[in-house]
Amino acid sequence: NAGVTQTPKFQVLKTGQSMTLQCAQDMNHEYMSWYRQDPGMGLRLIHYSVGAGITDQGEVPNGYNVSRSTTEDFPLRLLSAAPSQTSVYFCASRPGGGETQYFGPGTRLLVL
Amino acid sequence: GDSVTQMEGPVTLSEEAFLTINCTYTATGYPSLFWYVQYPGEGLQLLLKATKADDKGSNKGFEATYRKETTSFHLEKGSVQVSDSAVYFCALLGSGNTPLVFGKGTRLSVIA
Repeated sequence: NAGVTQTPKFQVLKTGQSMTLQCAQDMNHEYMSWYRQDPGMGLRLIHYSVGAGITDQGEVPNGYNVSRSTTEDFPLRLLSAAPSQTSVYFCASRPGGGETQYFGPGTRLLVL
Repeated sequence: GDSVTQMEGPVTLSEEAFLTINCTYTATGYPSLFWYVQYPGEGLQLLLKATKADDKGSNKGFEATYRKETTSFHLEKGSVQVSDSAVYFCALLGSGNTPLVFGKGTRLSVIA
């Protein structure tokens, strides 16, 4: 099992550019989520999904889109990058009805 | 809504000192409680958990007891090591298919 994988590990964008952060898990987990981590702010939930075809907004969804066409993948799209989106992004998954959440290694994003 | 409050850091301790990181929560019903640890440059990983009142979670010498009467889940370790230097997050999972709620994290530095 690879667990939760994220690509890329590091990315630099210019303001206004768009990109997709990839997240995949091979544990057949129903529940997946995206967080951003900023200094002093802890982890803030961006979007989450309770299964294929179902997504919902978290605490800080503005400027981000998600979709869940398969159980395995949960990409996060930045529509028009802004410097305020400079952060470290973590994807996580857990089984439906399960409690332990597994995290990917993170993507460090710098928006200039 | 559900929330978690944990003590502000950073915390700096000498090796073999006693560690306490306070965590209190607000939730309806009977949540499950967790401590996650993030080592430098890595994603989060589960350290320990407790799913009902009076349960004690333990792992790697760390312990935390689910206290419903004080709505607390304080993390303790009797003798810290340099390798324990990391950021520690308290988290809560409410009932249903809800997202994990995190505290803001506490950075621990252990010096030899």
